[in-house]
Amino acid sequence: AQSVTQPDIHITVSEGASLELRCNYSYGATPYLFWYVQSPGQGLQLLLKYFSGDTLVQGIKGFEAEFKRSQSSFNLRKPSVHWSDAAEYFCAVVATGGGNKLTFGTGTQLKVEL
Amino acid sequence: DTEVTQTPKHLVMGMTNKKSLKCEQHMGHRAMYWYKQKAKKPPELMFVYSYEKLSINESVPSRFSPECPNSSLLNLHLHALQPEDSALYLCASSQGTGGAWNIQYFGAGTRLSVL
Repeated sequence: AQSVTQPDIHITVSEGASLELRCNYSYGATPYLFWYVQSPGQGLQLLLKYFSGDTLVQGIKGFEAEFKRSQSSFNLRKPSVHWSDAAEYFCAVVATGGGNKLTFGTGTQLKVEL
Repeated sequence: DTEVTQTPKHLVMGMTNKKSLKCEQHMGHRAMYWYKQKAKKPPELMFVYSYEKLSINESVPSRFSPECPNSSLLNLHLHALQPEDSALYLCASSQGTGGAWNIQYFGAGTRLSVL
């Protein structure tokens, strides 16, 4: 079965600093990968997705992610963090077959210091 | 437009009450989902509807009863809930359930408190 690991439960960065959130997946075939963001008390907003092709994908709000098959990773990056980026970030994978369920990582809580 | 609308935003109910959560999308999506999310946890899948038919029930207790009246609407009927059912209930929709069709867009959720 597919799984997603987000090793960092909490991350704190200063406003204006760069950000990288880690995501590792376990899945036999090429996965469909997603990053979602959730502000407190809100729903999940899709930041970006990877299905195939160019391994560097651009998303909304200045985020990007790079798919590295050799490392089974799909890390999220942003060159300069804004205070409004403080939120919970979830990496997720859809595994074809097995009901095509969206499997989430445990999330990373991002705090931005002013 | 990638909007999924959920009502109400907040709901407080007693353990003997009957209430319903509503979800609506107008993106022409044919798959709709209910998730339950506890604080500081990822969403947990409850139900999946595909083409208005229930395709996945993740062994959810019968006190939760989903309904898909048409391709744009999804309801979750609640009856005799327990305090541990208090959570954020999220609705999502996607074009379909297979692979690249399964890009899920989420609503803002209903915050449910069971007293």
